Amino acid sequence: AQSVTQLDSQVPVFEEAPVELRCNYSSSVSVYLFWYVQYPNQGLQLLLKYLSGSTLVESINGFEAEFNKSQTSFHLRKPSVHISDTAEYFCAVSRGSNYKLTFGKGTLLTVNP
Amino acid sequence: DAGITQSPRYKITETGRQVTLMCHQTWSHSYMFWYRQDLGHGLRLIYYSAAADITDKGEVPDGYVVSRSKTENFPLTLESATRSQTSVYFCASNGGSINEQFFGPGTRLTVL
Repeated sequence: AQSVTQLDSQVPVFEEAPVELRCNYSSSVSVYLFWYVQYPNQGLQLLLKYLSGSTLVESINGFEAEFNKSQTSFHLRKPSVHISDTAEYFCAVSRGSNYKLTFGKGTLLTVNP
Repeated sequence: DAGITQSPRYKITETGRQVTLMCHQTWSHSYMFWYRQDLGHGLRLIYYSAAADITDKGEVPDGYVVSRSKTENFPLTLESATRSQTSVYFCASNGGSINEQFFGPGTRLTVL
């Protein structure tokens, strides 16, 4: 069975500061990794994904995540956050064979002015 | 409207009543999923479906029933609602590739 651990349940930062949201997974087989974002009172939206190839993946709004197989991690980073980045972020893993996702418990990112 | 929709968006019911949450997608995606979101637990998979008439249990299926007679619809029924089923429920779909799941806007269910 696979599991996902998001090490921080809440991360408060100031605007324009860098941020890292940590995600570790456990799986005995190859996996596909995802970060989803949930803005208040909305559903989840895909932020970025790692399927294969380059271990560094980027989103259109400045987030990036690096797949580290040896450390079984997929941490999400942004060099300078905005107020509008305030949201809950979920890391998820899929083995791919049945497209099911296993989610972490989420990290609430709060960006303060 | 194109996409994935859920109804109702908000529902208040009483313990012991039957409740059905609806999910509809317009993409003809093969896979559909039901999750519940609870504080401190993230999202947990209740049931999923690989195609019409094919369903399977997820992590927390007890107390829930699903059906999928048509590709585009995937209703979730709570046969006898309990307070522990108070939650936000999300439906999602996937076209069958190793790719993103598309989520509906959610249904906030309160069981009194």
